[in-house]
Amino acid sequence: GAVVSQHPSWVICKSGTSVKIECRSLDFQATTMFWYRQFPKQSLMLMATSNEGSKATYEQGVEKDKFLINHASLTLSTLTVTSAHPEDSSFYICSARDSRGNTIYFGEGSWLTVV
Amino acid sequence: KNEVEQSPQNLTAQEGEFITINCSYSVGISALHWLQQHPGGGIVSLFMLSSGKKKHGRLIATINIQEKHSSLHITASHPRDSAVYICAVETSGSRLTFGEGTQLTVNP
Repeated sequence: GAVVSQHPSWVICKSGTSVKIECRSLDFQATTMFWYRQFPKQSLMLMATSNEGSKATYEQGVEKDKFLINHASLTLSTLTVTSAHPEDSSFYICSARDSRGNTIYFGEGSWLTVV
Repeated sequence: KNEVEQSPQNLTAQEGEFITINCSYSVGISALHWLQQHPGGGIVSLFMLSSGKKKHGRLIATINIQEKHSSLHITASHPRDSAVYICAVETSGSRLTFGEGTQLTVNP
């Protein structure tokens, strides 16, 4: 059935480096994907809306130059955390809607730790 | 005040008990979602509601659009139901705004 696959599940990186997280829709096409961030014991917060073939729409307070989003195909969106800092350590998760059944599917999430 | 408020924040129950988690929201929505998040972080969509009531197995979700309120019920709760349950409202463009979640622990 329809699934959203996210990779990597866990990543540790050094301060100042960049990390790329991939989000793929399997078995369905997603013109729109969403990226969320969740800090410990807090609710999920929408970071940006990823639009296939066009620029992402960022939520207020999210730096577009720091969190680069690319949605190059109907099944893949990537989030790149550039010049990572320890305060970027968080749980990042993507979602996409399968328009055939109108169900939202979430990726497995990615735990980012910046040391 | 958050746009989406859930209660209770934490809930501990004995196996077999009937459980209710409540969600109130303050904005106009196109749909309301109930999600389940497991300790590893993975999220599963349980229900999407725009009106009325839905049932899936031991789970029941209801929504009252006029009162801007939804409830998630779990009948005959089981330890495997232990998770964080999240209410999320969908507004324009499929954007979701999340409640803070309810941590449910079901003891055997």
